[in-house]
Amino acid sequence: LAKTTQPISMDSYEGQEVNITCSHNNIATNDYITWYQQFPSQGPRFIIQGYKTKVTNEVASLFIPADRKSSTLSLPRVSLSDTAVYYCLVGDRRGSGYSTLTFGKGTMLLVSP
Amino acid sequence: ETGVTQSPTHLIKTRGQQVTLRCSSQSGHNTVSWYQQALGQGPQFIFQYYREEENGRGNFPPRFSGLQFPNYSSELNVNALELDDSALYLCASSFRSDEQFFGPGTRLTVL
Repeated sequence: LAKTTQPISMDSYEGQEVNITCSHNNIATNDYITWYQQFPSQGPRFIIQGYKTKVTNEVASLFIPADRKSSTLSLPRVSLSDTAVYYCLVGDRRGSGYSTLTFGKGTMLLVSP
Repeated sequence: ETGVTQSPTHLIKTRGQQVTLRCSSQSGHNTVSWYQQALGQGPQFIFQYYREEENGRGNFPPRFSGLQFPNYSSELNVNALELDDSALYLCASSFRSDEQFFGPGTRLTVL
């Protein structure tokens, strides 16, 4: 299983763009990159998934370079409610409900006023 | 549509006791996965049930066992509780190959 490395914590202010980078040097050809968000005392929630280049949805963008050994989750104009732990996962695509999700320790993002 | 629910929300047990945690899947979902999340760590996969059969298991000892019922709700049973079993236990449901949706978890404290 591909391991991921992300910063333990990050600080930001409201309205700023936040970029969280994840390293996954041993990513396999079939692996997708998926990001989850988790608030205290809640289960993780899917944010975005990609395979290569750039993916954008209503809450975030995901940038993946050609070698796919890293990825960057970009949160535009964060608010206080974006304070959470963000997990980077590599493995089966979101559609594989049979598959297991392998979480690392995540990045604790603290957004201040 | 009701989301994934878990009960109880909090539980305190002592070493050596047994515990049963419950999960109600989101409507229409037939697959349930259980995860253990220790403080400051990411969730770790325990096992998965699909249509009442165990469909995969993580690196957890046999004293962690589970059940899935015909209505696709599920139970996680832990025997001979140890201090290190203190954690947030998360249940996630899905429909076959669709996305997994997590419940709010059960906080278990073992004294």
